[in-house]
Amino acid sequence: DADVTQTPRNRITKTGKRIMLECSQTKGHDRMYWYRQDPGLGLRLIYYSFDVKDINKGEISDGYSVSRQAQAKFSLSLESAIPNQTALYFCATSDNQEGTNEKLFFGSGTQLSVL
Amino acid sequence: QKEVEQNSGPLSVPEGAIASLNCTYSDRGSQSFFWYRQYSGKSPELIMSIYSNGDKEDGRFTAQLNKASQYVSLLIRDSQPSDSATYLCAVIKSNSGYALNFGKGTSLLVTP
Repeated sequence: DADVTQTPRNRITKTGKRIMLECSQTKGHDRMYWYRQDPGLGLRLIYYSFDVKDINKGEISDGYSVSRQAQAKFSLSLESAIPNQTALYFCATSDNQEGTNEKLFFGSGTQLSVL
Repeated sequence: QKEVEQNSGPLSVPEGAIASLNCTYSDRGSQSFFWYRQYSGKSPELIMSIYSNGDKEDGRFTAQLNKASQYVSLLIRDSQPSDSATYLCAVIKSNSGYALNFGKGTSLLVTP
């Protein structure tokens, strides 16, 4: 079984719909992240959480919200999806090592298409 | 200016040659630097981390860091076709709370 599981793997939705992408992990890590990847733009950080009570905006948080339901679960919501949110979304986790060993473990990704 | 800059490539090298991948960053206070490899259709995976000026070697991979020039590079010796992938440079900024910021990635193609 994968250590970092994202659901769904693929999602097609329409403009204006609310959708949620889910991420769960069995690695016991405190830190969880949501990134999106677009061709030619690399990975961009949307939100991150360093523990259950900690939520931080990344560089492109507008139009997104997150919920850290438990140490193992971190979900990403698009309140009203728009076409330019079409992208590959990655959830990732890491150990709580302060800046010295930020090895990220990525899920398999969710390909989201907004029509 | 994006905070982490990479040439998108593609960089094409023949099998057995040295591939040199470069990355510059804008935040002078950055302390931690990483190289991730991403095969097509797959998730990124960490291959190297470096924190101090100089070189760090791990097998066929060498990471080089020059904080004064705000420059980090990855050398791949004896390149193999299986090294063909996109290489992502990532940096922890000084005020980011230890969240990684990634460059756009450089596509590497190793030809037999």
